[in-house]
Amino acid sequence: DVQLVQSGAEVKKPGESLKISCKGSGYSFSTYWIGWVRQMPGKGLEWMGIIYPDDSDTRYNPSFQGQVTISADKSVNTAYLQWSSLKASDSAIYYCARTLGLAAATVWGQGTKVTVSS
Amino acid sequence: QSALTQPASVSGSPGQSITISCTGTSSDVGGYNYVSWYQQHPGKAPKVMIYDVINRPSGVSNRFSGSKSGNTASLTISGLQVEDEADYYCSSYTTSSTLVFGGGTKLTVL
Repeated sequence: DVQLVQSGAEVKKPGESLKISCKGSGYSFSTYWIGWVRQMPGKGLEWMGIIYPDDSDTRYNPSFQGQVTISADKSVNTAYLQWSSLKASDSAIYYCARTLGLAAATVWGQGTKVTVSS
Repeated sequence: QSALTQPASVSGSPGQSITISCTGTSSDVGGYNYVSWYQQHPGKAPKVMIYDVINRPSGVSNRFSGSKSGNTASLTISGLQVEDEADYYCSSYTTSSTLVFGGGTKLTVL
């Protein structure tokens, strides 16, 4: 089965760093784009950016450029989303998703809930 | 890069048909046949219902269909069922080589 398994929920303080993960299995991980999506409490979906694991080509949506870092390690079939200094407004559920080309997200992870609170 | 425009809510009775619109620009919806639609039930991950404007993934009911005219894409659900009640989001590829979602539409099945 094709699946994406994300790391578990996190509770952090403002200013702390964080790296969450998304591990793919059941397919050729390197050759599909992986995107990250934010969903703030009670709000809609927002594309943050997308990465091609084979060469780490990364595209960020303007709102997230410079705010997060997206990376991937094809040797362990895992994509990452990283913050260097969290803010309370980063509290959200973060989903990773495998896309068909740079288009439809056909496989989704289960989501990682990040809570940032002092 | 602005979010695509969707109605905040739509409603229908079981058995009826509804259509959800998704309006963008020539830089996204109108410029590419890369519009997809997602269904999200509360507390669950989104699920793709339509991709590349009109294509339905294996396992998705043929009651779901997609179309596009100019800068507006549409999702039609026929024969509404109670389990169709959910939030629906459109998404499009953009000229910036990124993806953008619509604001989401809450479907209520009365």
